[in-house]
Amino acid sequence: GQQVMQIPQYQHVQEGEDFTTYCNSSTTLSNIQWYKQRPGGHPVFLIQLVKSGEVKKQKRLTFQFGEAKKNSSLHITATQTTDVGTYFCAAPRYDKVIFGPGTSLSVIP
Amino acid sequence: NAGVTQTPKFRVLKTGQSMTLLCAQDMNHEYMYWYRQDPGMGLRLIHYSVGEGTTAKGEVPDGYNVSRLKKQNFLLGLESAAPSQTSVYFCASSYSMGSEQFFGPGTRLTVL
Repeated sequence: GQQVMQIPQYQHVQEGEDFTTYCNSSTTLSNIQWYKQRPGGHPVFLIQLVKSGEVKKQKRLTFQFGEAKKNSSLHITATQTTDVGTYFCAAPRYDKVIFGPGTSLSVIP
Repeated sequence: NAGVTQTPKFRVLKTGQSMTLLCAQDMNHEYMYWYRQDPGMGLRLIHYSVGEGTTAKGEVPDGYNVSRLKKQNFLLGLESAAPSQTSVYFCASSYSMGSEQFFGPGTRLTVL
């Protein structure tokens, strides 16, 4: 069945460095969502991408949806300690939404 | 608006005991979900509901039952808890399938 994969599983960066996480699917996606979960917290919706090749920005965060709608990326410019957490992508599969395993980001001050 | 609330926040059970987790939402959402989160496994869907009186199985439904008697509430039951059910359980709701999901604060369950 359709699975949503994410790489890397973990990423440690120095504060100020950039960070990117990638989400990949074996099948074409109708849309993709991104969530952030702070340590000890619950997932919080960040954004949804729908169109092929779509790029959206939220301050230092840039989200992309691939041309083939099988992959997506989240890029953070100049990370800050407030960016610490796990970033999940999620995609609809028939009548449910499937979450990727997440990328855990640590930021070293 | 409280959004999505979950009770209890923490619980410790002995193997074989039963319990019910309660999820409530005040956003008039049709869709509600129960997930479990384990280290390195992300969020796995246990059961979900597309409206009052309906339920459906997710990826990992075994050992759990659910009920959606009222639109605003979604209950998750464990009839005979096992140590493998030690996890953090999240409830979520959404307006429609594929739209933004709103998550509750989670319930941390330990089964000894």
